[in-house]
Amino acid sequence: LAKTTQPISMDSYEGQEVNITCSHNNIATNDYITWYQQFPSQGPRFIIQGYKTKVTNEVASLFIPADRKSSTLSLPRVSLSDTAVYYCLVGLPMDSNYQLIWGAGTKLIIKP
Amino acid sequence: DTAVSQTPKYLVTQMGNDKSIKCEQNLGHDTMYWYKQDSKKFLKIMFSYNNKELIINETVPNRFSPKSPDKAHLNLHINSLELGDSAVYFCASTSRGTGELFFGEGSRLTVL
Repeated sequence: LAKTTQPISMDSYEGQEVNITCSHNNIATNDYITWYQQFPSQGPRFIIQGYKTKVTNEVASLFIPADRKSSTLSLPRVSLSDTAVYYCLVGLPMDSNYQLIWGAGTKLIIKP
Repeated sequence: DTAVSQTPKYLVTQMGNDKSIKCEQNLGHDTMYWYKQDSKKFLKIMFSYNNKELIINETVPNRFSPKSPDKAHLNLHINSLELGDSAVYFCASTSRGTGELFFGEGSRLTVL
């Protein structure tokens, strides 16, 4: 199972674009990359998932280079409420033994 | 109408006791999980049930036992509680193949 490496923490300011990069050098051919957000005292919440190139939804974009050994979560124009821990995971959703190895995540702090 | 609900939200108990945490999902998902999040915020998968069959069983002590009366419920029983069992336990569910996990709000267990 592929492991991931992310920065432990990041700071930014309201209105800025925030990019969080995740390394997954041992990603398998069929693995997908998924990002979750966790607020204090809550369970993680799905943000975005992708396999290659770029994926965009209403809250974020996910950039995946051709070699897929890393990925970047991009949060446009962050607000104070985006302060949370962000987890990057890789895995094969269709696998009956689908499980994800959760790293420490990136603690993102947004300042006014 | 909470998608994944856990009870109790907080549980304080003495060492050696036996306790249970209940989880229910109303999303029609076919797979449910139990995760443990320790004080360092690492999320570790404990169990997974798919169509009432255990398909993942990580190296957790056999004091922990999952029980699934039906597809919508996955309860966690813990016998002979130890101090190291103190953590937040999260239930999650998914439809296999989507890769999107839905988490409950967590159950904070404190063993004294």
